[in-house]
Amino acid sequence: GDSVTQMEGPVTLSEEAFLTINCTYTATGYPSLFWYVQYPGEGLQLLLKATKADDKGSNKGFEATYRKETTSFHLEKGSVQVSDSAVYFCALSGNTGGFKTIFGAGTRLFVKA
Amino acid sequence: GAGVSQSPSNKVTEKGKDVELRCDPISGHTALYWYRQRLGQGLEFLIYFQGNSAPDKSGLPSDRFSAERTGESVSTLTIQRTQQEDSAVYLCASSSQRIQETQYFGPGTRLLVL
Repeated sequence: GDSVTQMEGPVTLSEEAFLTINCTYTATGYPSLFWYVQYPGEGLQLLLKATKADDKGSNKGFEATYRKETTSFHLEKGSVQVSDSAVYFCALSGNTGGFKTIFGAGTRLFVKA
Repeated sequence: GAGVSQSPSNKVTEKGKDVELRCDPISGHTALYWYRQRLGQGLEFLIYFQGNSAPDKSGLPSDRFSAERTGESVSTLTIQRTQQEDSAVYLCASSSQRIQETQYFGPGTRLLVL
């Protein structure tokens, strides 16, 4: 079945460091790919998404490119801030024309001042 | 409403009791999802509704779990004869009918089974 694998956390970075959180997926069809973020004490919210191969999703300085050849959707940010500290979830949906969404296990990011 | 709401926000119950969790989706959203998030873990898909129908119930962990949706609006997730391993945050999300659309999450119900 479909699956999403994320790098294990926690990831600890200093402010202004470069961030990469790896995400790979397994799917037989053509899913959409998402990154959701969960800030401390808040609910999950969409960070960015890409609906087809080679699309790049971007928001708040974060980017991720849908790479079908490597089945990846790695999250990157050039310069993290303390306020980026959160748990990040990679997800896929719509693979077989349905609504089921598969989430990765989440990666906790700590950014130190 | 402005967003997805869930009630109660916290629920403490004794092992063996039944609990009912409620979700009010964003008005007009025809798709509704339930997830479970155990402490320190990712989201576990439970069930989704398309309108009032549940095409995919494959994530329900056991027959103690059931869910229903009425009026293409509010949904309830019922856990019968709760067990300690049911302790988790139960999240509800809704989205528009278009496939692959963004999901909007509620704040969750934190369930503790003693």
